Amino acid sequence: GAVVSQHPSRVICKSGTSVKIECRSLDFQATTMFWYRQFPKQSLMLMATSNEGSKATYEQGVEKDKFLINHASLTLSTLTVTSAHPEDSSFYICSALAEAEQYFGPGTRLTVT
Amino acid sequence: GNSVTQMEGPVTLSEEAFLTINCTYTATGYPSLFWYVQYPGEGLQLLLKATKADDKGSNKGFEATYRKETTSFHLEKGSVQVSDSAVYFCVTRVGGSARQLTFGSGTQLTVLP
Repeated sequence: GAVVSQHPSRVICKSGTSVKIECRSLDFQATTMFWYRQFPKQSLMLMATSNEGSKATYEQGVEKDKFLINHASLTLSTLTVTSAHPEDSSFYICSALAEAEQYFGPGTRLTVT
Repeated sequence: GNSVTQMEGPVTLSEEAFLTINCTYTATGYPSLFWYVQYPGEGLQLLLKATKADDKGSNKGFEATYRKETTSFHLEKGSVQVSDSAVYFCVTRVGGSARQLTFGSGTQLTVLP
């Protein structure tokens, strides 16, 4: 089946620094990937839709200048959290679209100190 | 708007016990309904789905029936195993777009030997 990986699985960074999270489709090409954020004991919230070769589409309330998304190839999308603050600490999950189904990565735990 | 409410966890059961995880939803239109499972360290995986009223989705001994009259999609399994320990998400999708997923908050299931 389709496999999606994320790297790193967890990261700790200091307030004010930037962190990049990678999402890769390992055995298929994905023109569309999605980025979600999950707070403890809450639902996954869609942050943005990443399309290969074009600008990402952000959901209402998500700051595009803070959460930079780059989908430079058919197998890789990156999410960069810029000038991170403690309130950005969360679990970030990506997914890739293949044949109308979404395949999810294992998530990245970000802690900002 | 669309929302999904599922049983709060954690749920702890002994092996071979009967499992029910309740899920109710509100949606505009007629949603498709899904259960996803997330095993430790892995991405969300599609467990089963139902696309219209009275449909029953089933997989790996799990079942859920699309109940339009009660707007519910409860997950059941007659005899759980230790390997079923995971987080279970109830999800709705309105329309054909994979973007339009609404997630429940997830229910942690632990099965003890």
